[in-house]
Amino acid sequence: DAGVIQSPRHEVTEMGQEVTLRCKPISGHDYLFWYRQTMMRGLELLIYFNNNVPIDDSGMPEDRFSAKMPNASFSTLKIQPSEPRDSAVYFCASSPRLQETQYFGPGTRLLVL
Amino acid sequence: AQTVTQSQPEMSVQEAETVTLSCTYDTSENNYYLFWYKQPPSRQMILVIRQEAYKQQNATENRFSVNFQKAAKSFSLKISDSQLGDTAMYFCALESSGYALNFGKGTSLLVTP
Repeated sequence: DAGVIQSPRHEVTEMGQEVTLRCKPISGHDYLFWYRQTMMRGLELLIYFNNNVPIDDSGMPEDRFSAKMPNASFSTLKIQPSEPRDSAVYFCASSPRLQETQYFGPGTRLLVL
Repeated sequence: AQTVTQSQPEMSVQEAETVTLSCTYDTSENNYYLFWYKQPPSRQMILVIRQEAYKQQNATENRFSVNFQKAAKSFSLKISDSQLGDTAMYFCALESSGYALNFGKGTSLLVTP
């Protein structure tokens, strides 16, 4: 298996622009997680899905952030409009069930100017 | 609520020596899992070791072992025969029933020749 795939690996955009991050989980994994990593706040869980259904989005910072999982093999995290404080590394991870090992993608480094 | 605390922001160890990274946690749940993840400069998050709270035996994976003290809510990671490739950020994480994975702030480990 290729592991969790994320794209793009790097994204540089200007404030106010829409940003879409993409994730393909490991086949057969029922859970998908989106995390954000910054120096100040460390690793934060933004949202997670079970069988394509959002279960907990309490970590989503504000209405500018939205996430979807239209099918078992694809998820997106969208920021609209983006702001400089959104600059971070965004990770996607998947696992077969809760309390099992989560497998992380390589992350997307986002820089909002 | 659940919390994870890593009190050592940075550590250094010489190659071939042993180092221990500390982690304490808090949860009101009886059923939970503890993890150590490694993040090398490549940024990839990699599972190092996993411990089920109901198991008294400490988990081991080759040169990596844990000291799990349930009553004290302590979960330290011991790295034996340290190698240059062990240089990374190490994150302690907790997942208990009804909660998603919660990470500590991390310990930056430098292995020197």
